[in-house]
Amino acid sequence: AQSVTQLGSHVSVSEGALVLLRCNYSSSVPPYLFWYVQYPNQGLQLLLKYTSAATLVKGINGFEAEFKKSETSFHLTKPSAHMSDAAEYFCAVTHGSGNTGKLIFGQGTTLQVKP
Amino acid sequence: KAGVTQTPRYLIKTRGQQVTLSCSPISGHRSVSWYQQTPGQGLQFLFEYFSETQRNKGNFPGRFSGRQFSNSRSEMNVSTLELGDSALYLCASSFEQRADTQYFGPGTRLTVL
Repeated sequence: AQSVTQLGSHVSVSEGALVLLRCNYSSSVPPYLFWYVQYPNQGLQLLLKYTSAATLVKGINGFEAEFKKSETSFHLTKPSAHMSDAAEYFCAVTHGSGNTGKLIFGQGTTLQVKP
Repeated sequence: KAGVTQTPRYLIKTRGQQVTLSCSPISGHRSVSWYQQTPGQGLQFLFEYFSETQRNKGNFPGRFSGRQFSNSRSEMNVSTLELGDSALYLCASSFEQRADTQYFGPGTRLTVL
């Protein structure tokens, strides 16, 4: 079975500050891991994904995440927050063999960016 | 290339009614997955279709059903609507059954009164 835990349902940072959103996963098989962003009344946009290649993954809009197998973590970071980063962020896991579109999502973290 | 299209975008129904939601995948994509998003339960997988066959199903009651047509378009149906079915329903498409090449649509917001 697979699961994802996102620590902190709400995170607030100041504009220009470091963004750190935490994600821990549980998987009995090698996982693929994803971070998605959702703006109000919109669908999910992929920020980045880990698919067993490089453990440090760079995504869009300056975000990156590091896969740490020993810590079963895939935390999302961005060096300097922008107001436009305010949104809800979801970490997700799927079976690393591919061949499925099924994603298991965490509960989400709402990022607030203060001016 | 056009993205994933979902229709309608907004829908209001009353308890006991049924509803059909539509998802048109990106051209050339053959796999469609459906998700339900609610404030309480978050994002939950409903089902996955590939080449007109249901390949995977989430833990939802039988009132939730779906199908995929030969042109890869997919529909999901919810019968005997309950208040708790109010949610954002998202679909995602990929060329093959691969979550790592999946794109999401904007969703259909269903409100059950």
